[in-house]
Amino acid sequence: DIQMTQSPSSLSASVGDRVSITCRARQSISSFLNWYQQKPGKAPKLLIYAASSLQSGVPSRFSGSGSGTDFTLTISSLQPEDFATYYCQQTYSTPFTFGQGTRLEIK
Amino acid sequence: EVQLLESGGGLVRPGGSLRLSCVASGFPFSNYGMTWVRQAPGKRLELVSSISASAGSTYYADSVRGRFTISRDNSKNTLYLEMDSLRAEDTAVYHCAKVRQGVTLIVGDAFDFWGQGTMVTVSS
Repeated sequence: DIQMTQSPSSLSASVGDRVSITCRARQSISSFLNWYQQKPGKAPKLLIYAASSLQSGVPSRFSGSGSGTDFTLTISSLQPEDFATYYCQQTYSTPFTFGQGTRLEIK
Repeated sequence: EVQLLESGGGLVRPGGSLRLSCVASGFPFSNYGMTWVRQAPGKRLELVSSISASAGSTYYADSVRGRFTISRDNSKNTLYLEMDSLRAEDTAVYHCAKVRQGVTLIVGDAFDFWGQGTMVTVSS
């Protein structure tokens, strides 16, 4: 199985801040990396697929980058609705594994 | 608007069985692969099973293979997960999710719509 590791595990930030979350794969996964947002008690939401493609309807302040083993999700200017937990997922090989999550909290 | 609504969760004893359902609306259900993803308390998300649009192809995680069965009824826009020989480690919220690209889950794909989930608790 391909292990996915996110950093940091938690992050405090303020509205308007620029934040980045990193996801690292134990082996190369090309660009087969997705990012999801989940709020407590809600369904996860797809933000970014194929490392850098913005899912339809997702605000442009979200962006993704990277390839191989290192990937980044960036939120350019945090909004109140962005405080949530974020997960990366590789779909390079089965089982399609997820990172442990990064909890983004209000400072 | 795409909607996925899970049901069927509950409390079950170890060794017991449950059947989860997921009713889909807002998209042509019979054209898309579907998946079940679970999240145990304090654990990361785990892909449990997937099924192609025609039900001709299925995938199971090693942790559930031989105990869980995924199926679908395209006439009812409904996805199922039959869970047998349940263990304490199967305790989790179970989400159904739609495959983004098309008829089956493939390398490079993603899950573009998810349900809120149904809780399964396995305990004596």
